[in-house]
Amino acid sequence: AQRVTQPEKLLSVFKGAPVELKCNYSYSGSPELFWYVQYSRQRLQLLLRHISRESIKGFTADLNKGETSFHLKKPFAQEEDSAMYYCALPYTGFQKLVFGTGTRLLVSP
Amino acid sequence: GAGVSQSPRYKVAKRGQDVALRCDPISGHVSLFWYQQALGQGPEFLTYFQNEAQLDKSGLPSDRFFAERPEGSVSTLKIQRTQQEDSAVYLCASNQGAGEAFFGQGTRLTVV
Repeated sequence: AQRVTQPEKLLSVFKGAPVELKCNYSYSGSPELFWYVQYSRQRLQLLLRHISRESIKGFTADLNKGETSFHLKKPFAQEEDSAMYYCALPYTGFQKLVFGTGTRLLVSP
Repeated sequence: GAGVSQSPRYKVAKRGQDVALRCDPISGHVSLFWYQQALGQGPEFLTYFQNEAQLDKSGLPSDRFFAERPEGSVSTLKIQRTQQEDSAVYLCASNQGAGEAFFGQGTRLTVV
């Protein structure tokens, strides 16, 4: 069955430190993976998707099929990066998204 | 409107009461999804519409949950005889059939 695992509920770093939010998935086919972000009092929004290979707000994520991972990385965290981050796996033709439980990133000054 | 709109934003229901949650998707979006997000959890899929057709309702937790989208635009999620375990944020999302799903602000349902 399709599954997304985010092992960390909370990740606390200082401003300027590197960040890595972990995501592992279980999927039998060729996955398309997303990272969604939810800032305080805002709606859930797409941060990036692996197929586009873009860097959004300094974040990148590389799909590692061998390790079945899609970790989100940023070399220098900013206070405005503080938010909830969800890794998500779409399947059955994008009809559903399977989400991880989310990681709260807290960036302190 | 510019984004997915959900109403009400907050709903307090007494146990046993029926509730109806509304979703206005982005104009022209064919696909509409409902998700349930319990406290401390990620969103979990409830049901999916393509236009007015409900193509997948495998995530609905019980027959007390019912969703409709009669004209292929606005959708309503109805919960009958609410129970405390129904307390959650209910999220609606829409897209043009593939790719990025755009989410509403959600309705926070509290059953007391």
